Amino acid sequence: GAGVSQSPSNKVTEKGKDVELRCDPISGHTALYWYRQRLGQGLEFLIYFQGNSAPDKSGLPSDRFSAERTGESVSTLTIQRTQQEDSAVYLCASSKREGSSYEQYFGPGTRLTVT
Amino acid sequence: AQSVTQLDSQVPVFEEAPVELRCNYSSSVSVYLFWYVQYPNQGLQLLLKYLSGSTLVKGINGFEAEFNKSQTSFHLRKPSVHISDTAEYFCAVRSGGYQKVTFGIGTKLQVIP
Repeated sequence: GAGVSQSPSNKVTEKGKDVELRCDPISGHTALYWYRQRLGQGLEFLIYFQGNSAPDKSGLPSDRFSAERTGESVSTLTIQRTQQEDSAVYLCASSKREGSSYEQYFGPGTRLTVT
Repeated sequence: AQSVTQLDSQVPVFEEAPVELRCNYSSSVSVYLFWYVQYPNQGLQLLLKYLSGSTLVKGINGFEAEFNKSQTSFHLRKPSVHISDTAEYFCAVRSGGYQKVTFGIGTKLQVIP
């Protein structure tokens, strides 16, 4: 079956512009995560959606970052007034309850470059 | 709250030598533990997971990990590494009853020919 997909795969934007990143999770997966991976660094948790519950936004670095998800479908991550430090690969992952594992399936990521 | 510590940011090792990548976690309740691997220019994929039962877990590509509750560790091991094992390895934890997964910062394994 289809895996997690993300678009665009690459995005170059000028400082100060807004960008929108998209994630299509695996069908039937109730949980969706966004992470940021800066060059040479580990995974930084951004936000977590679980079904219709209120999202866990504790990882969003500033109020320039926001994310939405409608039900158990597509999610968009929006970064307003981009800064150079926002340059990173943004990863999306989804998971469903298999027993109690919540194994995550990752998308290929969106590489964002802010010039 | 749950957290993960990967003590080694980089681990160089010669080909065919054994390797251990360390992972320690903190959680006040029962845990589920994962190791993910990210090969160069690729996405993350699950290497192995501990849910319950036997504390020794075997994964893909000859890797295994041992859950040690008393030491709150989940170290990853391979008895003989190959060049193709060069990648970044991430340890992750999910606490029972809490659905969010927390990742460590990753360990870069570099296999030297």
